[in-house]
Amino acid sequence: EVQLVESGGGLVQPGGSLRLSCAASGFTFSSYWMHWVRQAPGKGLVWVSRINSDGSSTSYADSVKGRFTISRDNAKNTLYLQMNSLRAEDTAVYYCASDPWQLNWFDPWGQGTLVTVSS
Amino acid sequence: DIQMTQSPSSLSASVGDRVTITCRASQGISNSLAWYQQKPGKAPKLLLYAASRLESGVPSRFSGSGSGTDYTLTISSLQPEDFATYYCQQYYSTPPTFGQGTKVEIK
Repeated sequence: EVQLVESGGGLVQPGGSLRLSCAASGFTFSSYWMHWVRQAPGKGLVWVSRINSDGSSTSYADSVKGRFTISRDNAKNTLYLQMNSLRAEDTAVYYCASDPWQLNWFDPWGQGTLVTVSS
Repeated sequence: DIQMTQSPSSLSASVGDRVTITCRASQGISNSLAWYQQKPGKAPKLLLYAASRLESGVPSRFSGSGSGTDYTLTISSLQPEDFATYYCQQYYSTPPTFGQGTKVEIK
């Protein structure tokens, strides 16, 4: 069974940092593109970042470019999102999602981890 | 960025009703469209991709159609487990973008 489990969310002050992790199992992680998508409370879905299968290529939404870094460790079957200079508007549930066809659609998704940026 | 506009934003329907949700892209996306279902407190789930291709395990009462800039998701006979929020998403160009969602509620 394909499974994605996020961790690392929590409460952080504005300007602070946080690293999210997404542990993958049940599929050949090293063959798949991976993404982070976020959802602010009561709002819609917003794509955040993508990384290709070997980690050599990344892409970011303009709203997080220069502040967030996506990475992966294929030996550990784990995806990461390093978030720096956090702002109140980064408050959201962050989902990791796999992209088996490398087409920028998302299937499946993890259960999400909540990041709250507040003083 | 390609803007995706869904309509309606919400609707009320009864079990057994036929429901149609529309998604319009700000430019042509060549059927590069996915639909997701999200229930409260849960992650989204892929229903269809390539505008009309049903994801494995998704009931056949869900269908998709469209071309160019205009796409629809149809639920042929609404079931109790279908009450949820539905999102369209274009993957024609980066960044991938979502519609604002359509909440399907019980009448």
